[in-house]
Amino acid sequence: AQTVTQSQPEMSVQEAETVTLSCTYDTSENNYYLFWYKQPPSRQMILVIRQEAYKQQNATENRFSVNFQKAAKSFSLKISDSQLGDTAMYFCAFMKPRNTGNQFYFGTGTSLTVIP
Amino acid sequence: DSGVTQTPKHLITATGQRVTLRCSPRSGDLSVYWYQQSLDQGLQFLIQYYNGEERAKGNILERFSAQQFPDLHSELNLSSLELGDSALYFCASSSGLAGVGETQYFGPGTRLLVL
Repeated sequence: AQTVTQSQPEMSVQEAETVTLSCTYDTSENNYYLFWYKQPPSRQMILVIRQEAYKQQNATENRFSVNFQKAAKSFSLKISDSQLGDTAMYFCAFMKPRNTGNQFYFGTGTSLTVIP
Repeated sequence: DSGVTQTPKHLITATGQRVTLRCSPRSGDLSVYWYQQSLDQGLQFLIQYYNGEERAKGNILERFSAQQFPDLHSELNLSSLELGDSALYFCASSSGLAGVGETQYFGPGTRLLVL
């Protein structure tokens, strides 16, 4: 079974600063996809960023970027210029494509608080 | 707005009762996933359907069941409810194109409170 580990249950960052959330995963697969989802206090799950394992280039979405280290099975999320609206729970997710049905696995989440 | 809709938004019921949660996937998506999130907990995968057929099962209790209808909407049935079933239930949908990369899009969730 695949596992996704988020070792930081809680983090905080000053507004306008940069923070990095860590995620590691365990797989023997070569083809897979990785995601970060954000869950603000409203508890809506919002896709933040996606990374294809076959791509060497790290994905970026505005202030959000990832550091994807395939050999180390690491997929960290960097948030630059943190804003109060970034306060949320962040979930790392792994997706394994399968002809019989793609399978998704989620980490336990990191609660991020942006301090004004 | 993800395009995934869930009804009702909130549900309050008593122990021993049965409820049905409904989910409509994004237009064109064939796959539906159900997750349970208890307070301050991560996402627990319950079950997945693809084009009307059950595809994968996670930590779903026997008291829970689901189905996906020909119009692709899905329902999650929770019976003999217990206090511990109080949680936020998410539905997510994806294209369901097996073997290729796809993204899950989540609905707003249904908050279930069992008293």
